[in-house]
Amino acid sequence: DTGVSQDPRHKITKRGQNVTFRCDPISEHNRLYWYRQTLGQGPEFLTYFQNEAQLEKSRLLSDRFSAERPKGSFSTLEIQRTEQGDSAMYLCASSKRTGNYNEQFFGPGTRLTVL
Amino acid sequence: AQKVTQAQTEISVVEKEDVTLDCVYETRDTTYYLFWYKQPPSGELVFLIRRNSFDEQNEISGRYSWNFQKSTSSFNFTITASQVVDSAVYFCALSERGFGNEKLTFGTGTRLTIIP
Repeated sequence: DTGVSQDPRHKITKRGQNVTFRCDPISEHNRLYWYRQTLGQGPEFLTYFQNEAQLEKSRLLSDRFSAERPKGSFSTLEIQRTEQGDSAMYLCASSKRTGNYNEQFFGPGTRLTVL
Repeated sequence: AQKVTQAQTEISVVEKEDVTLDCVYETRDTTYYLFWYKQPPSGELVFLIRRNSFDEQNEISGRYSWNFQKSTSSFNFTITASQVVDSAVYFCALSERGFGNEKLTFGTGTRLTIIP
């Protein structure tokens, strides 16, 4: 198993364009998380899936953001009408219960730059 | 609401010196988990340690050690005999024992630079 993968690793777009990111979790991990990390800050929780169900969304996730996990495997995060404030690193993590806790394993992230 | 504070924004030490990174947390839950992650320049978060709220035993792993004190809501991380490869941003994080969603709340990180 190669760990959590994210694609693309870098994305540069112009303001107003739509972008989509993909996350492939570790096989058999039923939980998947999206976080956003801006420069000089720690990652902030965006949303969480258990299998294909999106169970929680942060207030940070405006109407322009949508996340899906259609078959309970990979997930996509789409940002519509991008704004300069969306520039950040978008991190994906997956987990599977081990003992009393789900260890989260992070992917390398997708760095978004909105011009 | 849960909160993690890392007051040290940046620390620089000379190689082989010991260094302690501070972490203070706030939570209303009695069951929670604390973490330290390392983020090297490549950007990927690397898990270092997890402690649960019922286990205040300090832990040592090689050059790393962690001091968890519930009385002061602190979970400090010490690197002994630092090396250049330790240079990175270190994040402390907290997870409350929710109903399945064990989302992490991170501090703002401490950038550690080890000077050769």
